Amino acid sequence: EVQLVQSGGGLVQPGGSLRLSCAASGFTFDNYAMHWVRQAPGKGLEWVSGMSWDSGDIGYVVSVKGRFTISRDNAKNSLYLQMNSLRDEDTALYYCVRDEGASYYNPYFKYWGLGTLVTVSS
Amino acid sequence: QSALTQPATVSGSPGQSITISCTGTSSNVGGFNYVSWYQEHPGKAPKLIIYDVINRPSGVSSRFSASKSGNTASLTISGLQAEDEADYYCSSYTSINTLVFGTGTKVTVL
Repeated sequence: EVQLVQSGGGLVQPGGSLRLSCAASGFTFDNYAMHWVRQAPGKGLEWVSGMSWDSGDIGYVVSVKGRFTISRDNAKNSLYLQMNSLRDEDTALYYCVRDEGASYYNPYFKYWGLGTLVTVSS
Repeated sequence: QSALTQPATVSGSPGQSITISCTGTSSNVGGFNYVSWYQEHPGKAPKLIIYDVINRPSGVSSRFSASKSGNTASLTISGLQAEDEADYYCSSYTSINTLVFGTGTKVTVL
């Protein structure tokens, strides 16, 4: 059974940092690209970042470029999102999601984590 | 890239068919056959219901079908049921190697 167990969310002040983690199990982690998708309270889905199986291809939504860094450790079956210079508008539920391919040239997501809430507020 | 454009709400009576549109540009929807659709019930993670424009994952009801013409993709729900009441999002791969979601559509079963 595919499982994506997320951790690392919480309350942080504007300008602060947080690191989200996603521990994967039930599949061969280094066969798949991985992504982060977020959803602000009462709002729609927004793709945040994605990374190919070998970390060779990485992408970010424009609003987080230069502030967020996606990474993965295939030996630990884990995905991470380092979030720096956080803003109020980054407040959202962040989902770890598994791509159905190794690259992310055609990303679609059958498996989602439960989400971890990030609240940016003073 | 801007979010793909979806109608805010679509409603229908049980048994009817409804269609949700998803309009983008030639840099996303029109440029690739990489459109997906997701169903989201309150408090739950989204569920993939369509991928690669027209394909249904195993276990998804055949009442869900989809298509694309030019820069607009469409999702049709046939034989509308109470359980179909949810939010629906389209998504598309883009020419700058990112993914963009639609604005979302709330489906109401009257």
